[in-house]
Amino acid sequence: KAGVTQTPRYLIKTRGQQVTLSCSPISGHRSVSWYQQTPGQGLQFLFEYFSETQRNKGNFPGRFSGRQFSNSRSEMNVSTLELGDSALYLCASSFSGGSNNEQFFGPGTRLTVL
Amino acid sequence: GQQVMQIPQYQHVQEGEDFTTYCNSSTTLSNIQWYKQRPGGHPVFLIQLVKSGEVKKQKRLTFQFGEAKKNSSLHITATQTTDVGTYFCAGASNTGKLIFGQGTTLQVKP
Repeated sequence: KAGVTQTPRYLIKTRGQQVTLSCSPISGHRSVSWYQQTPGQGLQFLFEYFSETQRNKGNFPGRFSGRQFSNSRSEMNVSTLELGDSALYLCASSFSGGSNNEQFFGPGTRLTVL
Repeated sequence: GQQVMQIPQYQHVQEGEDFTTYCNSSTTLSNIQWYKQRPGGHPVFLIQLVKSGEVKKQKRLTFQFGEAKKNSSLHITATQTTDVGTYFCAGASNTGKLIFGQGTTLQVKP
């Protein structure tokens, strides 16, 4: 079974631009969660999507948004990029989501904002 | 909001020594999960603890969940160089979110 895939793996943007990251979950998994990982803050929960609906949301500004498609693939968008948005963005899939299931993480997208 | 604190942030040990990382939540957890992230890699699920006072072992790794379901620990006996990485606990809140601790980065000197 193929694992979670994320594209692109690396991205360099400048302040003010916007970016879209993509995540393809493991086949059969309906939940996709997004996390921001930085050296100082660890793994911060952004949001979770299940069956195309946002089921949970972390404490990030509205510049961070996401969506999920009918095939469970998910995208995350960050608008008006700031220097502080530089981070590793990880997505994780699970069969039914929530907090009681093992999360399978993708390799991440390394975003650098200049 | 709910917080999950993990200590220590870093630990350097000599190969063969033991290692422990501790996780504490500000609220009662429904379960706790542990993940390992190798340098340059992504977090990989290790285990989930659900019951109060639960203890689970995986070879040299021992995981405990506190009686009050607010703290947990991971103990590695006789560390090896393959144990190098960052260990995260993740507490499950009643809101359905997984709250990750800041992680403990383990370095093992051969």
